[in-house]
Amino acid sequence: DTGVSQDPRHKITKRGQNVTFRCDPISEHNRLYWYRQTLGQGPEFLTYFQNEAQLEKSRLLSDRFSAERPKGSFSTLEIQRTEQGDSAMYLCASSLAGTGKAGELFFGEGSRLTVL
Amino acid sequence: QQQVKQSPQSLIVQKGGISIINCAYENTAFDYFPWYQQFPGKGPALLIAIRPDVSEKKEGRFTISFNKSAKQFSLHIMDSQPGDSATYFCAAGGSTGFQKLVFGTGTRLLVSP
Repeated sequence: DTGVSQDPRHKITKRGQNVTFRCDPISEHNRLYWYRQTLGQGPEFLTYFQNEAQLEKSRLLSDRFSAERPKGSFSTLEIQRTEQGDSAMYLCASSLAGTGKAGELFFGEGSRLTVL
Repeated sequence: QQQVKQSPQSLIVQKGGISIINCAYENTAFDYFPWYQQFPGKGPALLIAIRPDVSEKKEGRFTISFNKSAKQFSLHIMDSQPGDSATYFCAAGGSTGFQKLVFGTGTRLLVSP
């Protein structure tokens, strides 16, 4: 399978715990995005990387959230001191910039977080 | 200016009918307008996309109509099938540089047999 893969698919945690999600993009894609989707809503942009550089972060990304893409390949999204309001589906997507197709995002199946 | 407004919120269509979902945007810098299909428990999948240099794009049973002056675009699903039952999201963004994709709130489509 050469699509975007995310792990874990589901995570249940208690309030105050830290969680980390991993995303492996399509191998030749140089852009990687994190979005958050709550029930009944469209995906909301959180942050994106071009290669290993994090180029934009949404105001939704509080200081409890941190994302990395250390070698320009996979990425991790960590949420520290989780709150119930963090419960959502965290979606990763990738695209190929420089070909006029930067906007063609391919999404993974998401990591669903439930904070008790 | 970053909003994309989508309607209707939900839609029920009989098998064989035409499903129509509408979206409107505000930011004239957007030049890429995709539609995504999402099944429960899955990530959104790119269905079809259009750029503003054309007014219509057709792929199989799916057609996007684009009205640049009105800043509106719509998805038409011809001969709707029960397997089309899903949530559809319109989005707007940029094909170059960085314009993050901004998504509509989604339309839940149910195609009755």
